[in-house]
Amino acid sequence: DTAVSQTPKYLVTQMGNDKSIKCEQNLGHDTMYWYKQDSKKFLKIMFSYNNKELIINETVPNRFSPKSPDKAHLNLHINSLELGDSAVYFCASSPLGGGGAGQPQHFGDGTRLSIL
Amino acid sequence: QKEVEQNSGPLSVPEGAIASLNCTYSDRGSQSFFWYRQYSGKSPELIMFIYSNGDKEDGRFTAQLNKASQYVSLLIRDSQPSDSATYLCAAYGAQKLVFGQGTRLTINP
Repeated sequence: DTAVSQTPKYLVTQMGNDKSIKCEQNLGHDTMYWYKQDSKKFLKIMFSYNNKELIINETVPNRFSPKSPDKAHLNLHINSLELGDSAVYFCASSPLGGGGAGQPQHFGDGTRLSIL
Repeated sequence: QKEVEQNSGPLSVPEGAIASLNCTYSDRGSQSFFWYRQYSGKSPELIMFIYSNGDKEDGRFTAQLNKASQYVSLLIRDSQPSDSATYLCAAYGAQKLVFGQGTRLTINP
């Protein structure tokens, strides 16, 4: 069973379109995250949610809107896609306070978004 | 100044030798530190975490933390070709993980 699963794995679309990425975790974790990894492999947090509540929003353009219908799901909707949005987007989850006292974050397989 | 800094490499090590990966961080409030391994085209996978000063060993891997120097390292003993990957150092503080840019490690047979 996949612990953190993301769909789709690949997303190729035109500039200006709107797209969504879905994430689900079956680990019973309370916290979920979205990360962006650019072409230089730099992994940067975008959002985090604790039990459906937004905790971190790292100065991400408001074209990006996360939604957490329940603590096992965190989706990412992106409006008006731009060339600079091309990247790999990773979903992750952790117990509450993930990172503190060594509670690790577990990553999904990533969604490779390519904007034409 | 980057919050978490790593030498991007590539770092080339012969098979069977010790690979030494280093990381520095700027936020003294960082509470714990993680090493992730990422193979090309794959997701980061956790190798080790450490939050107390000193060494922590797990099989062929040893993590070292020096909070006074704001320095974290990962040693890989008896390096294998399968260890070739990018290694990401991350510091946890203020409810978020901050990653370094990663060090690309190549183990030469």
